[in-house]
Amino acid sequence: SAVISQKPSRDICQRGTSLTIQCQVDSQVTMMFWYRQQPGQSLTLIATANQGSEATYESGFVIDKFPISRPNLTFSTLTVSNMSPEDSSIYLCSVEDPWEGGKTQYFGPGTRLLVL
Amino acid sequence: AQSVTQPDIHITVSEGASLELRCNYSYGATPYLFWYVQSPGQGLQLLLKYFSGDTLVQGIKGFEAEFKRSQSSFNLRKPSVHWSDAAEYFCAVVSAGGTSYGKLTFGQGTILTVHP
Repeated sequence: SAVISQKPSRDICQRGTSLTIQCQVDSQVTMMFWYRQQPGQSLTLIATANQGSEATYESGFVIDKFPISRPNLTFSTLTVSNMSPEDSSIYLCSVEDPWEGGKTQYFGPGTRLLVL
Repeated sequence: AQSVTQPDIHITVSEGASLELRCNYSYGATPYLFWYVQSPGQGLQLLLKYFSGDTLVQGIKGFEAEFKRSQSSFNLRKPSVHWSDAAEYFCAVVSAGGTSYGKLTFGQGTILTVHP
């Protein structure tokens, strides 16, 4: 399976600022995903990021708040913009492993964000 | 729309006891089902998956799960629990088509506590 890293692993930010989270994969993958896990909650998909196309956002998430870049097949970034305490969550990226017939997602370790 | 229900929010077992975590899904087609585990402060690790074929699937760490189409269930089991199994467990189903291709829908999670 792919090895996925995320930076930063955790951060404490002030409201009104923005944070960019990086996701790096050790092999080329077509599909990458960004999820949010609010405190004590399950995971919710924010958007799907395919290389060479605009990210596709799920209902309730907008590009102005969560801009995503996907410059190549091994890297993606998620920015959390104009943060408020409600954005305090774990943000996880995942990739769909192409060597298992697709549909299997592997996750990075997550970025733990606290907004004050 | 697809959905996943994990009826048990929190389960406590003694070390060495058997374990069964329940998962029910709602999906219009043949589901692709997964179990993930999240240890405290960690990302998600894939335990096992079901796509087709044998309805009893084996995973890592001694876990297994059984797909029962008639009951729309995919329960996770382990014959003898170890203290290191204490974690949160998520059942998930993936969308195989449409605009949400590849989207994982997660259950609410079951927190497992293991008593010595």
